[in-house]
Amino acid sequence: GQQVMQIPQYQHVQEGEDFTTYCNSSTTLSNIQWYKQRPGGHPVFLIQLVKSGEVKKQKRLTFQFGEAKKNSSLHITATQTTDVGTYFCAGCVSNFGNEKLTFGTGTRLTIIP
Amino acid sequence: EAQVTQNPRYLITVTGKKLTVTCSQNMNHEYMSWYRQDPGLGLRQIYYSMNVEVTDKGDVPEGYKVSRKEKRNFPLILESPSPNQTSLYFCASSFGRDNYGYTFGSGTRLTVV
Repeated sequence: GQQVMQIPQYQHVQEGEDFTTYCNSSTTLSNIQWYKQRPGGHPVFLIQLVKSGEVKKQKRLTFQFGEAKKNSSLHITATQTTDVGTYFCAGCVSNFGNEKLTFGTGTRLTIIP
Repeated sequence: EAQVTQNPRYLITVTGKKLTVTCSQNMNHEYMSWYRQDPGLGLRQIYYSMNVEVTDKGDVPEGYKVSRKEKRNFPLILESPSPNQTSLYFCASSFGRDNYGYTFGSGTRLTVV
Protein backbone atom coordinates (compact mmCIF):
# COMPACT_ATOMS: atom_id res chain seq x y z
CA GLY A 1 0.00 0.00 0.00
CA GLN A 2 0.88 3.63 -0.22
CA GLN A 3 3.48 4.85 2.25
CA VAL A 4 4.39 8.40 3.14
CA MET A 5 7.64 8.74 5.02
CA GLN A 6 8.79 11.86 6.80
CA ILE A 7 12.27 12.72 8.00
CA PRO A 8 13.60 13.59 10.41
CA GLN A 9 11.36 12.29 13.16
CA TYR A 10 12.70 14.89 15.58
CA GLN A 11 14.60 18.15 15.09
CA HIS A 12 16.01 20.43 17.75
CA VAL A 13 17.22 23.83 16.58
CA GLN A 14 18.45 27.03 18.15
CA GLU A 15 16.02 29.89 17.83
CA GLY A 16 16.86 31.75 14.65
CA GLU A 17 18.19 28.71 12.80
CA ASP A 18 16.45 27.27 9.78
CA PHE A 19 14.46 24.03 9.78
CA THR A 20 13.47 21.62 7.02
CA THR A 21 11.30 18.52 7.01
CA TYR A 22 11.06 16.15 4.08
CA CYS A 23 8.21 13.98 2.91
CA ASN A 24 8.61 11.05 0.49
CA SER A 25 5.94 8.89 -1.09
CA SER A 26 6.29 5.43 -2.58
CA THR A 27 3.78 6.43 -5.29
CA THR A 28 3.06 9.50 -7.38
CA LEU A 29 0.77 11.93 -5.58
CA SER A 30 -2.07 13.99 -7.00
CA ASN A 31 -1.54 16.57 -4.28
CA ILE A 32 0.10 17.00 -0.91
CA GLN A 33 -1.08 18.83 2.18
CA TRP A 34 0.83 20.11 5.19
CA TYR A 35 -0.43 20.41 8.75
CA LYS A 36 0.97 21.75 12.02
CA GLN A 37 0.10 20.36 15.43
CA ARG A 38 1.11 22.37 18.48
CA PRO A 39 1.94 20.42 21.65
CA GLY A 40 -1.33 19.27 23.19
CA GLY A 41 -3.27 20.58 20.22
CA HIS A 42 -4.86 19.31 17.07
CA PRO A 43 -3.56 19.33 13.47
CA VAL A 44 -4.18 22.58 11.65
CA PHE A 45 -4.19 22.76 7.86
CA LEU A 46 -1.38 24.92 6.46
CA ILE A 47 -1.38 24.48 2.69
CA GLN A 48 -2.00 22.23 -0.29
CA LEU A 49 0.32 21.78 -3.27
CA VAL A 50 -1.00 20.36 -6.53
CA LYS A 51 1.34 21.10 -9.42
CA SER A 52 4.65 19.44 -10.23
CA GLY A 53 7.52 21.63 -8.99
CA GLU A 54 5.15 23.99 -7.18
CA VAL A 55 6.58 26.34 -4.56
CA LYS A 56 4.41 28.28 -2.14
CA LYS A 57 5.37 30.64 0.65
CA GLN A 58 3.66 31.69 3.85
CA LYS A 59 5.81 34.31 5.57
CA ARG A 60 8.85 32.34 6.83
CA LEU A 61 7.50 28.99 5.59
CA THR A 62 8.35 27.66 2.12
CA PHE A 63 6.62 24.58 0.75
CA GLN A 64 7.85 22.65 -2.28
CA PHE A 65 6.37 19.83 -4.33
CA GLY A 66 8.86 17.74 -6.27
CA GLU A 67 8.95 17.53 -10.05
CA ALA A 68 7.99 13.87 -9.95
CA LYS A 69 5.22 14.58 -7.41
CA LYS A 70 6.65 11.98 -5.05
CA ASN A 71 8.29 14.24 -2.53
CA SER A 72 7.77 17.50 -0.75
CA SER A 73 9.51 19.71 1.76
CA LEU A 74 8.68 22.38 4.30
CA HIS A 75 11.39 24.89 5.13
CA ILE A 76 11.16 27.41 7.95
CA THR A 77 13.55 30.35 7.88
CA ALA A 78 14.81 31.84 11.14
CA THR A 79 12.73 29.73 13.50
CA GLN A 80 10.84 31.30 16.38
CA THR A 81 9.47 29.75 19.55
CA THR A 82 6.00 29.91 18.01
CA ASP A 83 7.12 27.38 15.40
CA VAL A 84 7.30 24.60 18.00
CA GLY A 85 5.13 21.62 17.13
CA THR A 86 4.83 18.58 14.91
CA TYR A 87 4.58 19.08 11.17
CA PHE A 88 2.72 16.48 9.13
CA CYS A 89 2.54 16.00 5.41
CA ALA A 90 -0.43 14.18 3.91
CA GLY A 91 -0.17 12.74 0.42
CA CYS A 92 -3.15 12.14 -1.81
CA VAL A 93 -3.10 9.29 -4.32
CA SER A 94 -5.75 9.13 -7.02
CA ASN A 95 -6.49 5.66 -8.34
CA PHE A 96 -9.29 5.22 -10.87
CA GLY A 97 -11.34 7.98 -9.25
CA ASN A 98 -10.79 6.63 -5.77
CA GLU A 99 -8.67 9.07 -3.78
CA LYS A 100 -6.84 8.27 -0.58
CA LEU A 101 -5.05 10.66 1.75
CA THR A 102 -2.22 9.20 3.82
CA PHE A 103 -0.52 11.11 6.61
CA GLY A 104 3.20 10.96 7.20
CA THR A 105 4.54 10.16 10.65
CA GLY A 106 5.43 13.78 11.34
CA THR A 107 8.50 15.77 12.34
CA ARG A 108 8.56 17.16 15.85
CA LEU A 109 10.32 20.52 16.04
CA THR A 110 11.64 21.87 19.31
CA ILE A 111 13.29 25.26 19.66
CA ILE A 112 16.14 26.03 22.03
CA PRO A 113 15.73 29.69 23.07
CA GLU B 1 -17.10 30.22 14.59
CA ALA B 2 -16.44 27.42 12.09
CA GLN B 3 -15.35 24.38 14.02
CA VAL B 4 -15.41 20.66 14.65
CA THR B 5 -16.54 19.81 18.18
CA GLN B 6 -15.59 16.55 19.84
CA ASN B 7 -16.74 15.25 23.19
CA PRO B 8 -15.48 14.25 25.61
CA ARG B 9 -11.92 15.60 25.65
CA TYR B 10 -10.75 12.94 28.08
CA LEU B 11 -12.23 9.55 28.87
CA ILE B 12 -11.07 6.68 31.04
CA THR B 13 -13.09 3.51 30.74
CA VAL B 14 -12.88 -0.19 31.45
CA THR B 15 -12.47 -3.02 28.99
CA GLY B 16 -15.74 -4.04 27.38
CA LYS B 17 -17.83 -1.04 28.37
CA LYS B 18 -19.43 0.47 25.29
CA LEU B 19 -18.70 4.11 24.63
CA THR B 20 -19.43 6.79 22.06
CA VAL B 21 -17.31 9.78 21.13
CA THR B 22 -19.36 12.51 19.51
CA CYS B 23 -18.28 14.74 16.64
CA SER B 24 -20.19 17.66 15.19
CA GLN B 25 -19.27 20.24 12.54
CA ASN B 26 -21.01 23.52 11.69
CA MET B 27 -19.45 24.14 8.25
CA ASN B 28 -21.87 22.07 6.15
CA HIS B 29 -18.97 19.81 5.17
CA GLU B 30 -19.88 16.66 3.28
CA TYR B 31 -16.79 14.69 4.21
CA MET B 32 -16.01 13.56 7.76
CA SER B 33 -13.40 11.21 9.11
CA TRP B 34 -12.03 9.69 12.30
CA TYR B 35 -8.33 9.27 13.02
CA ARG B 36 -6.33 7.82 15.84
CA GLN B 37 -2.91 9.18 16.71
CA ASP B 38 -0.29 7.02 18.37
CA PRO B 39 3.38 7.86 19.04
CA GLY B 40 5.56 7.10 16.04
CA LEU B 41 2.61 6.09 13.87
CA GLY B 42 1.21 9.45 12.86
CA LEU B 43 -2.49 9.78 12.05
CA ARG B 44 -4.26 6.64 10.93
CA GLN B 45 -7.72 6.74 9.46
CA ILE B 46 -10.39 4.64 11.17
CA TYR B 47 -13.57 5.38 9.19
CA TYR B 48 -14.77 8.08 6.87
CA SER B 49 -18.05 9.31 5.47
CA MET B 50 -18.57 10.96 2.08
CA ASN B 51 -22.10 12.09 2.95
CA VAL B 52 -25.19 11.23 4.97
CA GLU B 53 -25.69 7.46 5.25
CA VAL B 54 -22.42 6.83 3.33
CA THR B 55 -19.57 5.45 5.42
CA ASP B 56 -16.53 3.34 4.64
CA LYS B 57 -13.56 1.76 6.37
CA GLY B 58 -10.23 3.48 6.66
CA ASP B 59 -6.92 1.81 7.45
CA VAL B 60 -7.64 0.64 11.01
CA PRO B 61 -11.42 0.03 11.35
CA GLU B 62 -11.35 -3.07 13.56
CA GLY B 63 -13.18 -2.56 16.85
CA TYR B 64 -14.93 0.63 15.76
CA LYS B 65 -18.30 1.59 14.32
CA VAL B 66 -19.61 4.89 12.95
CA SER B 67 -22.87 6.31 11.74
CA ARG B 68 -23.84 9.37 9.68
CA LYS B 69 -27.54 10.00 10.11
CA GLU B 70 -27.18 13.77 9.80
CA LYS B 71 -24.68 15.80 7.83
CA ARG B 72 -23.26 17.58 10.87
CA ASN B 73 -22.74 14.57 13.18
CA PHE B 74 -20.38 11.62 12.91
CA PRO B 75 -20.11 9.66 16.17
CA LEU B 76 -17.45 7.02 16.79
CA ILE B 77 -18.65 3.95 18.66
CA LEU B 78 -16.51 1.42 20.49
CA GLU B 79 -18.81 -1.51 21.23
CA SER B 80 -16.33 -3.38 23.42
CA PRO B 81 -13.22 -1.27 24.04
CA SER B 82 -9.90 -2.97 24.64
CA PRO B 83 -6.62 -1.58 26.00
CA ASN B 84 -5.08 -1.46 22.51
CA GLN B 85 -7.66 1.20 21.66
CA THR B 86 -6.07 3.56 24.17
CA SER B 87 -5.14 6.47 21.94
CA LEU B 88 -5.74 10.08 20.96
CA TYR B 89 -8.69 10.35 18.60
CA PHE B 90 -9.43 13.15 16.15
CA CYS B 91 -12.50 13.87 14.10
CA ALA B 92 -11.99 15.89 10.93
CA SER B 93 -14.22 17.36 8.25
CA SER B 94 -13.78 18.83 4.80
CA PHE B 95 -15.75 19.99 1.77
CA GLY B 96 -14.39 17.04 -0.17
CA ARG B 97 -12.43 13.90 0.46
CA ASP B 98 -8.85 14.63 -0.44
CA ASN B 99 -8.58 17.87 -2.37
CA TYR B 100 -9.45 20.20 0.46
CA GLY B 101 -7.76 20.82 3.77
CA TYR B 102 -9.27 19.13 6.78
CA THR B 103 -10.56 20.91 9.86
CA PHE B 104 -9.80 18.85 12.94
CA GLY B 105 -11.56 18.70 16.28
CA SER B 106 -9.66 19.24 19.52
CA GLY B 107 -9.22 15.53 20.12
CA THR B 108 -10.37 12.90 22.62
CA ARG B 109 -7.80 11.17 24.76
CA LEU B 110 -9.16 7.71 25.53
CA THR B 111 -7.68 5.34 28.08
CA VAL B 112 -9.02 1.79 28.32
CA VAL B 113 -7.96 -0.10 31.44
